[in-house]
Amino acid sequence: DTAVSQTPKYLVTQMGNDKSIKCEQNLGHDTMYWYKQDSKKFLKIMFSYNNKELIINETVPNRFSPKSPDKAHLNLHINSLELGDSAVYFCASSQPGTTEVYGYTFGSGTRLTVV
Amino acid sequence: RKEVEQDPGPFNVPEGATVAFNCTYSNSASQSFFWYRQDCRKEPKLLMSVYSSGNEDGRFTAQLNRASQYISLLIRDSKLSDSATYLCVVNIYGGSQGNLIFGKGTKLSVKP
Repeated sequence: DTAVSQTPKYLVTQMGNDKSIKCEQNLGHDTMYWYKQDSKKFLKIMFSYNNKELIINETVPNRFSPKSPDKAHLNLHINSLELGDSAVYFCASSQPGTTEVYGYTFGSGTRLTVV
Repeated sequence: RKEVEQDPGPFNVPEGATVAFNCTYSNSASQSFFWYRQDCRKEPKLLMSVYSSGNEDGRFTAQLNRASQYISLLIRDSKLSDSATYLCVVNIYGGSQGNLIFGKGTKLSVKP
């Protein structure tokens, strides 16, 4: 059973389109995250949700909108895709009180290519 | 100054070598520290947490110096399977309000 699963694994789309990436975790964690890894391999946090509430919202264009229907799911919707959005997007989760020992668990990533 | 800085490498070492990676962080309020490993086209995976007293897990030893804001990872007796990018990671708030800040990673290539 995959702990943090993302779909799709690969996404190729044209500029201007709107797309969604889904994430689900079966670890019972309260907190979920979206990270972006760009072409230079730098991992940067985008959003964090704790029990469906937004707690971190880094400087990200408002074309990116996260949605958490329940604490096991955190989806990412992107409007009007741009070439610069091409990257690998990682979902992650963690449990308060254990983060200091176990860090975050990451999904396998969604490789987004905008053409 | 970047929040978490690492030597990007690459480090090219022969099997059996000992290799050390260093990392510095800028926020003195940082709460917890980790080394993650990322294989090519894969997700980051936790290698080990780093504790103030230093800790060891098999061939891997991590050290933390809070006064110098410095973290290190030592790999002894390198194996081919150790080839990966090693990410120094700092949690600047702690707990559920935490925000893991990643270094850019140090690439290690272990050759036969």
